[in-house]
Amino acid sequence: DQQVKQNSPSLSVQEGRISILNCDYTNSMFDYFLWYKKYPAEGPTFLISISSIKDKNEDGRFTVFLNKSAKHLSLHIVPSQPGDSAVYFCAASGLTGNQFYFGTGTSLTVIP
Amino acid sequence: DAGVTQSPTHLIKTRGQHVTLRCSPISGHKSVSWYQQVLGQGPQFIFQYYEKEERGRGNFPDRFSARQFPNYSSELNVNALLLGDSALYLCASSVDISYEQYFGPGTRLTVT
Repeated sequence: DQQVKQNSPSLSVQEGRISILNCDYTNSMFDYFLWYKKYPAEGPTFLISISSIKDKNEDGRFTVFLNKSAKHLSLHIVPSQPGDSAVYFCAASGLTGNQFYFGTGTSLTVIP
Repeated sequence: DAGVTQSPTHLIKTRGQHVTLRCSPISGHKSVSWYQQVLGQGPQFIFQYYEKEERGRGNFPDRFSARQFPNYSSELNVNALLLGDSALYLCASSVDISYEQYFGPGTRLTVT
């Protein structure tokens, strides 16, 4: 049972444009959400997080939006750069925070 | 500061054998989690340890076990290896249970 879903396996964006990666979840008890970036042959790298008390969190070119009523979050990258090309995973955890559930990932390609 | 380190990098084992994977967390991090990632999927939670105690366990058989040492390093043990255990095993550390997790590069296990 996949509690965190990333329905787009891949996404291609022109350099300088906005990349929008989407993530849906089914468990209403989730209250902490994270995005990770993964390059081949490396472990996932933490990008940005958001707790359920917020609906937006920004860090430089990266912004995460949370819509609790829709059980949906998105990661915006503006402007996109070729170095952003990687697989992006969203993850979620509940109040105890002792288990993170990951989506299946979206492979982003930024075209120069 | 050094990031999360894992050893070995790669490992080839035969069905029925036993394997031990090792992880050293970031200095100051007291929580270690283990994940299994198969090709095309997101990381699947196996265990979380905090202050040497198991705080969470994913849906994995009893062949999987782990422990955390007083220096917060951790071992993941898998007995009676099956072909389906072939995967990338990731270790992640965090300051505390509910904080963002930082991943190591992983151990690639191949069972033949």
